[in-house]
Amino acid sequence: DAGVTQSPTHLIKTRGQQVTLRCSPKSGHDTVSWYQQALGQGPQFIFQYYEEEERQRGNFPDRFSGHQFPNYSSELNVNALLLGDSALYLCASSQGSGYGYTFGSGTRLTVV
Amino acid sequence: KNEVEQSPQNLTAQEGEFITINCSYSVGISALHWLQQHPGGGIVSLFMLSSGKKKHGRLIATINIQEKHSSLHITASHPRDSAVYICAVTGGGSNYKLTFGKGTLLTVNP
Repeated sequence: DAGVTQSPTHLIKTRGQQVTLRCSPKSGHDTVSWYQQALGQGPQFIFQYYEEEERQRGNFPDRFSGHQFPNYSSELNVNALLLGDSALYLCASSQGSGYGYTFGSGTRLTVV
Repeated sequence: KNEVEQSPQNLTAQEGEFITINCSYSVGISALHWLQQHPGGGIVSLFMLSSGKKKHGRLIATINIQEKHSSLHITASHPRDSAVYICAVTGGGSNYKLTFGKGTLLTVNP
């Protein structure tokens, strides 16, 4: 039984570019959350998707957007990349709310 | 003040020692999570607690809801336990996000 799959694992982009990160949740999970983890910091909540809608959003600018597909997979899009967007982006899936989370291995984004 | 505080920030132990990591939180929660992260790696969920105590192998997690405090214990520590241990909480009601502590870097020396 596959866990959470994230792609790509590593990515290098130039300032001003746009990036799309992908996440396939664990089988049986219908909720996907995205987190940004800067080096040496704890993860920060970006947003959560449930039933193809953004259910909750953290304190991130509109440059960060997402989508959830009918098969529960999700994408995180970041426009107009800044150097400060360099971080590990983590996807976590769960079955609704109130249950445990399964995390992916993350996508390491470097903006140069 | 952060909503989730962990102590200590760094912990070095000798193999075989008993280890305790503490977590305090200041908000109402529906659950508390203990997570493990190896350097450069993803996060593994160890425990989810809403009351009492849970045990898995050499790991024990406890929570005191009234005192808003949780502890993670590792018995007979081993070098492979070296990792960052993170406490995170899920708020109640329509607050679904995980709020993370800053983590405790544990190094177990042989």
